[in-house]
Amino acid sequence: GESVGLHLPTLSVQEGDNSIINCAYSNSASDYFIWYKQESGKGPQFIIDIRSNMDKRQGQRVTVLLNKTVKHLSLQIAATQPGDSAVYFCAETRGQGNLIFGKGTKLSVKP
Amino acid sequence: DTGVSQNPRHKITKRGQNVTFRCDPISEHNRLYWYRQTLGQGPEFLTYFQNEAQLEKSRLLSDRFSAERPKGSFSTLEIQRTEQGDSAMYLCASSPGGRGTSLAGGSTDTQYFGPGTRLTVL
Repeated sequence: GESVGLHLPTLSVQEGDNSIINCAYSNSASDYFIWYKQESGKGPQFIIDIRSNMDKRQGQRVTVLLNKTVKHLSLQIAATQPGDSAVYFCAETRGQGNLIFGKGTKLSVKP
Repeated sequence: DTGVSQNPRHKITKRGQNVTFRCDPISEHNRLYWYRQTLGQGPEFLTYFQNEAQLEKSRLLSDRFSAERPKGSFSTLEIQRTEQGDSAMYLCASSPGGRGTSLAGGSTDTQYFGPGTRLTVL
């Protein structure tokens, strides 16, 4: 069926290393993708977004890559810090409607 | 604080009771969304408003659930005759829509989430 999913449920990295979190989606009609960070007990926090007419977008320490050929989305975090520890969700949407979330990847940063 | 706010933050109730949650979106955001999130899962869509009009409802929104946005600003989500399976985090999000303005880094379609209301049904 149509879904947004993540390849790995957990990711552990050393402080200062780069992190890569992956996401697969199955609906080629999706035209907008967002990465959210969620800390325990809090709501999802917007990190970065990308539209389907782009393949790369950069923010501060974060980069999102979109490969429409294989329906793959990734979030790269440079120089990962302890404060980056959280669950990361990718979400897709079509038009102005609801977001469809994957199950999330838990990122743990070791000092 | 200019973000989405939700009240209460926590609610404990007994099975069969009614509960109501409130969401105040970011000022001038036309769209407002409700989601439900259970432990270890991503948020699941419940319903969506464009101004005061409820445009879409998920199949998850049973007859016991009702949402309103009477003046196109804040919204309420009511659950009647609560069941233990209703225990979850209820999240509200808002987005600017066509005429609104987005926060730094997002677009008019970006949904910004509140802190959520944690519901526990005993």
